[in-house]
Formats: sequence, C-alpha cells, structure tokens
Amino acid sequence: AQSVSQHNHHVILSEAASLELGCNYSYGGTVNLFWYVQYPGQHLQLLLKYFSGDPLVKGIKGFEAEFIKSKFSFNLRKPSVQWSDTAEYFCAVSSKAAGNKLTFGGGTRVLVKP
Amino acid sequence: DAGVIQSPRHEVTEMGQEVTLRCKPISGHNSLFWYRQTMMRGLELLIYFNNNVPIDDSGMPEDRFSAKMPNASFSTLKIQPSEPRDSAVYFCASSLRDTNNEQFFGPGTRLTVL
Repeated sequence: AQSVSQHNHHVILSEAASLELGCNYSYGGTVNLFWYVQYPGQHLQLLLKYFSGDPLVKGIKGFEAEFIKSKFSFNLRKPSVQWSDTAEYFCAVSSKAAGNKLTFGGGTRVLVKP
Repeated sequence: DAGVIQSPRHEVTEMGQEVTLRCKPISGHNSLFWYRQTMMRGLELLIYFNNNVPIDDSGMPEDRFSAKMPNASFSTLKIQPSEPRDSAVYFCASSLRDTNNEQFFGPGTRLTVL
C-alpha cells in the first residue's frame, strides 16, 4: 500500500524567506506525484505534478519540486515566499497498483508573516 | 469549463436529520471521489467511483453514510441520520482515469450538524 508522509505540520516564516516542505512516500513502483495547495477557506488546487521526465518540476506561483527516486522524496520549494502563500500544502501520490486514487499526506500549514 | 460543482455550499442541520450532498463532475471525467476534511482527521477519502461504479468505499465511516452515482454527471453523498461528529467540509473531486490521475476539486460543502 502506498502512503505519504509530510514531515512538518506547521511552518512559520517571514516574507522573502525560502520555503522547503518535505514529502516522502512509501510505494516502490512507478508513481505520479502531486502538490496541492489549499488557501484559507478554499478548495484544493493543483500546484504542480510529476509523471515522468525531468525530476525538477516547476509549478505555478514560483513553486518547484524535485523528485528524488532513491530517497522516495518529492520536496516542495519556493525561493522567496509572499504573505499570499499562507495556506495548507498537501503532497499526494498515485500509482497503477493503487488504482487511480490519490493518497494524501497530512498536510503542512504554512503561515507567512508580513 | 465550470469545474466540479457542489451543492449546497453550506448546510446547517439538526442531529438526526438526513443530509444530501451533491456533486457534478467535470464533463468527460470518468472518476469521482468524495473526501471529508476536518481539523482532527485531515483529508480523508470516503469513496470513489470509476465509470459510475463504486470501486472503494472503505473510507465510508459507517452505515449512516451512503453514496450513489446514477449517471456520469451526478453523484450524491447521503448521511442518515446525521450526528454532530459528521460536521466537516465535504469535497468532491473528479479525474480522467488513465491520464495520470490528476484530480480536480470542487469548492466543498461545509456541513454543520447541531
């Protein structure tokens, strides 16, 4: 069975600071990886996704993530955050073996102080 | 495209009443997912359908919960009878199966059971 672990439950940082959120998954086969963002009071929106190819994936709003297969990781990064990046971030994985359902991590709440 | 549509957006009801949540997936999508989100338990997959057929309902908490998908463009999640602990935000998501499983989320229904 696949599972996803997000290391940090809460992150607080100031504007212009760099952000890195950790994500590890447990499934050893071929996976698809996603980062979703949920702004306060809103639904989940896709930030970026990895299916194959270049392991460094660029998403919307200046976010990027790097797939490191040997570490089973898919960490999310942003070099300089803004107050508007305050949100909850979810890592998710899917695989053929698990059908087409996504397994989500527990989420990381990010608070950016102005 | 209008995206995933959910109704109602907010529902307040009394304990013991029946609650029906509705979802219209994105046209052409053949997989539909129901999630529940609470502060305590995070984001939980309740049930999902492929081609209108329930595939995995292991996340449905109790027999009080039921879900149907009578056709490709409509699904319902019913709680009967409702209890205060059912209070949560319920999200519906849809995807096009076999295209790497990216899910698109609806705006959610915020349910409060008094």
